[in-house]
Amino acid sequence: AQSVTQLDSQVPVFEEAPVELRCNYSSSVSVYLFWYVQYPNQGLQLLLKYLSGSTLVKGINGFEAEFNKSQTSFHLRKPSVHISDTAEYFCAVTPPYNQGGKLIFGQGTELSVKP
Amino acid sequence: EAQVTQNPRYLITVTGKKLTVTCSQNMNHEYMSWYRQDPGLGLRQIYYSMNVEVTDKGDVPEGYKVSRKEKRNFPLILESPSPNQTSLYFCASMFQRSTDTQYFGPGTRLTVL
Repeated sequence: AQSVTQLDSQVPVFEEAPVELRCNYSSSVSVYLFWYVQYPNQGLQLLLKYLSGSTLVKGINGFEAEFNKSQTSFHLRKPSVHISDTAEYFCAVTPPYNQGGKLIFGQGTELSVKP
Repeated sequence: EAQVTQNPRYLITVTGKKLTVTCSQNMNHEYMSWYRQDPGLGLRQIYYSMNVEVTDKGDVPEGYKVSRKEKRNFPLILESPSPNQTSLYFCASMFQRSTDTQYFGPGTRLTVL
């Protein structure tokens, strides 16, 4: 079985500051990793995903994430945030053999960007 | 425009009154799924479908039913809603493989009194 832990439930940050949202996972098999963003009153939108290859993954809106297999982590980073980045962010995993593609989500991290 | 639609977006009902939340996708995706989102728990899968007439339970299926009679539609049915089913519900769809991106609907906020 797989599980995902997002280490911070809320992250307040000032505009133009860097931010890191932390995600750790547990799995006895290899997994694919995802970050989704949920803007207020909207559905989830894919930010980026790691399937294989380079451990540094670049996504939309200037976000990137680094897969660290030894630490079983997939932290999300952005060097300079904007007010519009205020949203809830979800880390998720799925095992490759899961043909149904079920996503196992973390609890979510609320990013609040202040002027 | 490629999208997943859900209706209604907001619903307040009473215990025991049967309801259906509809979900439709226009991307010809084979896989569809329902999740519920609760504070501090993230999203948990309720049911999924890998194709027409093929459905299976997710992690929290109790109290829910689904059907997949057409590829584009995947309704969620609550035969006898209870207050513990008050939640935010999301429908999602994708092509079959685990590497594919899942597309989520805008959500349905359900309150059961």
